[in-house]
Amino acid sequence: QQQVKQSPQSLIVQKGGISIINCAYENTAFDYFPWYQQFPGKGPALLIAIRPDVSEKKEGRFTISFNKSAKQFSLHIMDSQPGDSATYFCAASRSGAQKLVFGQGTRLTINP
Amino acid sequence: EAGVAQSPRYKIIEKRQSVAFWCNPISGHATLYWYQQILGQGPKLLIQFQNNGVVDDSQLPKDRFSAERLKGVDSTLKIQPAKLEDSAVYLCASSLTVVYGYTFGSGTRLTVV
Repeated sequence: QQQVKQSPQSLIVQKGGISIINCAYENTAFDYFPWYQQFPGKGPALLIAIRPDVSEKKEGRFTISFNKSAKQFSLHIMDSQPGDSATYFCAASRSGAQKLVFGQGTRLTINP
Repeated sequence: EAGVAQSPRYKIIEKRQSVAFWCNPISGHATLYWYQQILGQGPKLLIQFQNNGVVDDSQLPKDRFSAERLKGVDSTLKIQPAKLEDSAVYLCASSLTVVYGYTFGSGTRLTVV
């Protein structure tokens, strides 16, 4: 059962451009939505997260936009840099479950 | 703060053989997770421990996979017998609480031939 659907599967962006990755969820009980970044040979690392009581959260060049009615959220990377090249996973969790359900991942490549 | 330690980093075995993976979580993290990450896919939860008790093992193929967490610290995940489709990276993670994020280990890449 795929509870979090992520798109696109891969994305190529020019240096300085905006990278946008989208996720949609099914379970309305989810109330915590993080994004993880994974470099080759490493485990995923928490990048930024949001709760549904806000529509946007920004940390540096990374922004999460959240649309509760559409059950969608997205990651925006402004001024994308080659060092941002990695695989990005969205995830979701519900209170009390203490576990994350991950999307399928997006392989992001930033061309110099 | 030391990260989540996993070993071995790589393992190649033949189908029907057995294999075990080890995980040492961050000190003080009560919750420990084992995830399976097949190439090109997102991590899938296999089992979740709270201290040394199992919270969720609903997606663990119990006919071949087993896991334990002794004394609420280290954990081992075992596969016996392995199948070709078990080829994946096995990630261990720990957390204080999910909203503070998981800390993942670097994983064990298993290849079953």
